[in-house]
Amino acid sequence: AQRVTQPEKLLSVFKGAPVELKCNYSYSGSPELFWYVQYSRQRLQLLLRHISRESIKGFTADLNKGETSFHLKKPFAQEEDSAMYYCALHSGGGADGLTFGKGTHLIIQP
Amino acid sequence: DVKVTQSSRYLVKRTGEKVFLECVQDMDHENMFWYRQDPGLGLRLIYFSYDVKMKEKGDIPEGYSVSREKKERFSLILESASTNQTSMYLCASSSGLNTEAFFGQGTRLTVV
Repeated sequence: AQRVTQPEKLLSVFKGAPVELKCNYSYSGSPELFWYVQYSRQRLQLLLRHISRESIKGFTADLNKGETSFHLKKPFAQEEDSAMYYCALHSGGGADGLTFGKGTHLIIQP
Repeated sequence: DVKVTQSSRYLVKRTGEKVFLECVQDMDHENMFWYRQDPGLGLRLIYFSYDVKMKEKGDIPEGYSVSREKKERFSLILESASTNQTSMYLCASSSGLNTEAFFGQGTRLTVV
């Protein structure tokens, strides 16, 4: 069974500090990994996916298959980054849907 | 612009009532999903559908059923609502197995 673990329920950093939101997964095959974000009073939306290897809003995430991790990073946090962040995995085969982690609430302090 | 629309933002129902949550998407997506979102538990998949009249159980299907009679519409049914089904319900759709999921705005259901 596939599983996504986000060890931090809450992460608070100061504006301008680096941010790293951790995500580990367990899946025996080749997964597709995503980061979704939910800003206050907005719907959940895709932030980035590992296959596109792009930077969105200054965030990047690298898939490390050896460590089964997909941590989200940003070198300099901004106040508008405050939100709930969910790591998600799709197995890429069959009809399993997206499996989400429990989420990390990121708070950027001024 | 993809739109996933859930019929209600807020619902209050009584214990034992049959509850229908409706979701419509306008992008001809094959896949549709229902999740519930609870603090500290994240998003948990209730049911999903990859085609009309097709459905698959997710991680927490107990107490729920679904209906997909048309491609654009996916309904979540609470056969007999209970207080532990008080939650935020999110509908999502996607065009394939490995592509972005688009979410509705959510329905906050309170069962009293």
